[in-house]
This record gives sequence, structure tokens and C-alpha cells, in this order.
Amino acid sequence: EVVLTQSPATLSLSPGERATLSCRASQTIRTYIAWYQQRPGQAPRLLIYDASDRVSGVPARFSGSGSGTDFTLTISSLEPEDFGVYYCQQRGVWPFTFGGGTKVEIK
Amino acid sequence: EVHLAESGGGLVQPGGSVRLSCAVSGFNFRIYWMHWVRQAPGKGPVWVSRINGDGSSTSYADSVRGRFTISRDNAKNMMYLQMDSLSAEDTATYYCTRGLMLDYFDYWGRGSLVAVSS
Repeated sequence: EVVLTQSPATLSLSPGERATLSCRASQTIRTYIAWYQQRPGQAPRLLIYDASDRVSGVPARFSGSGSGTDFTLTISSLEPEDFGVYYCQQRGVWPFTFGGGTKVEIK
Repeated sequence: EVHLAESGGGLVQPGGSVRLSCAVSGFNFRIYWMHWVRQAPGKGPVWVSRINGDGSSTSYADSVRGRFTISRDNAKNMMYLQMDSLSAEDTATYYCTRGLMLDYFDYWGRGSLVAVSS
């Protein structure tokens, strides 16, 4: 199965700062990657799919990039509601797998 | 508005069984692949199972194959997960999710906690 390794495990930033989250796949998954945000006590929320396509209603400050094995989620300027845990997920190779998550916390 | 709601979780003894239900509304249920995804406390999500629109095709994670059965009733807008031979490793919140482009998850329910303990 494809292992997705997310880094860093924790990102401590202030509102207004730029956040860069990484997800590395153990084998190529082309661009079949999605990003989810999870706030405490809530279900994950889909933000980005196919590496760079933003879901309708997701703010433009969220962007995704990458292909093959290396992927990035960028939040251009953090808002207070952006703090939480972010997961990547791949559908390029069965079974579908998730990364271990990056926690974005307030500095 | 799309809405998914799980029910049927709770405390179950090792070796026991439980049936989760997912009631959906707000979209044409019968044309979507649907999935179950679980999340153990403090851990990341894990895909469990999926079913196609008419129920004729199903898939399972290796960890649950042979013990869990996914099904759906399109007339009732319901999906189910029958879980047998449960162990402590199955303890998790189970989410009902809708498939986007088959295998991304664009809508999620609030989850149903299944705790396996004696």
C-alpha cells in the first residue's frame, strides 16, 4: 500500500503567516491526491482534490501543488479558523490511504 | 443541502457484532459511490469500505475483509455497515462519506463511535 508521509508533524504559526504543508508518497500516485482539514470534534472537510483543484466554497488562500510523489498544501495567509489538523489522501493506488496529519497550531 | 447521518454505534464486547446505518438526503443517492472511513482516537482517518451506486460492486480494506459487509438500500436512501468478529483494534469513530470522482470524500457525516471492550 502507498504510505503517505506528512511533514512537519506540527506547524506553529501566527495569523497572517504563510503555511506550507508537505505530503510525500512512497510510490507515484500521479496527481491523485486530496487534502482535508479537521477541526477538533468535527469530521474531516475536503479542501483540494486531484492535487490542485479547490472544492467549491473553499477560500482562495488554500492552494495545492505537486505530482508523482511530492505534494504541497499552501495556506497563503492564515486565518483563525484555519487552525486544526490537515490530512492528505491518495486514490491513485488501491487501497486508498491517508497521511498521518500535520497539526497547524497558533503560535 | 447534502446531509449524512450515522447511527447504530456504541459499546460492544470483543467478538461481537454491530450494524451501522447511514441516512442520506439532499442528493441523488443512487448515482454515487459511498464509503465508510474510520478514525481511531487521536489517529488519522482510515478507509474501510466502498460500494457503487447500485450496490453491485464492493471493496474492503484488508483489515476488515471477511468480517465487515457494506450494503445500501437506494429506495430508502440508506447505507449500512455490518461489523462482525469485532476486536479492540476496530474501536473508532465510523464516518459515512460520499465519493467524489469515485474515491475522494466530499461529504461526511458526524460519525458514530464504536467502542470494543469487555
